[in-house]
Amino acid sequence: NAGVTQTPKFRVLKTGQSMTLLCAQDMNHEYMYWYRQDPGMGLRLIHYSVGEGTTAKGEVPDGYNVSRLKKQNFLLGLESAAPSQTSVYFCASSYRHSISGANVLTFGAGSRLTVL
Amino acid sequence: GQSLEQPSEVTAVEGAIVQINCTYQTSGFYGLSWYQQHDGGAPTFLSYNALDGLEETGRFSSFLSRSDSYGYLLLQELQMKDSASYFCAVRGAGKSTFGDGTTLTVKP
Repeated sequence: NAGVTQTPKFRVLKTGQSMTLLCAQDMNHEYMYWYRQDPGMGLRLIHYSVGEGTTAKGEVPDGYNVSRLKKQNFLLGLESAAPSQTSVYFCASSYRHSISGANVLTFGAGSRLTVL
Repeated sequence: GQSLEQPSEVTAVEGAIVQINCTYQTSGFYGLSWYQQHDGGAPTFLSYNALDGLEETGRFSSFLSRSDSYGYLLLQELQMKDSASYFCAVRGAGKSTFGDGTTLTVKP
């Protein structure tokens, strides 16, 4: 099984350009997430989805949009890229968890985005 | 909101035991997870605590005290390959919030 696959792995953009990061999972997970990670920092949640057709804002949603049209895919869009969005982006997915159950996230390999 | 604090760096020698602490402030707490990340690669799940006490998984153990909003990850018999970043994460409703991570350096 591939697990969680992110494309592209690397991308360089100019300020103001737009792009979409694609995340695909083959584990039939209900939940999907987009995080960004800046040097020396933890993972900050951008947007997440608890099911097909639903999305919600995380900690740092400004400047990003997402869509979950199919259960296995979660797209992250940047409409007008800014240098502050230079980061490594990680997609993750998990099963629907019970109240006391672990929310075990499976991460993709990451997408490194540079905005000039 | 949610916030987590963990030390930025820890250094230990091969074969030793190291403890990485995590304190958190959150609303709607369900549990505390730990993840490992090597050199900017994909984070991988290590352990989860929903209830107070110790969970053991091989060389790694994780502890939680809900009343103290505190947990730790204990790594025993350290190996060079354990050099990595370790993140605690608070599980809330539908999502997880991560700390800034602790970089563990294991020396020979």
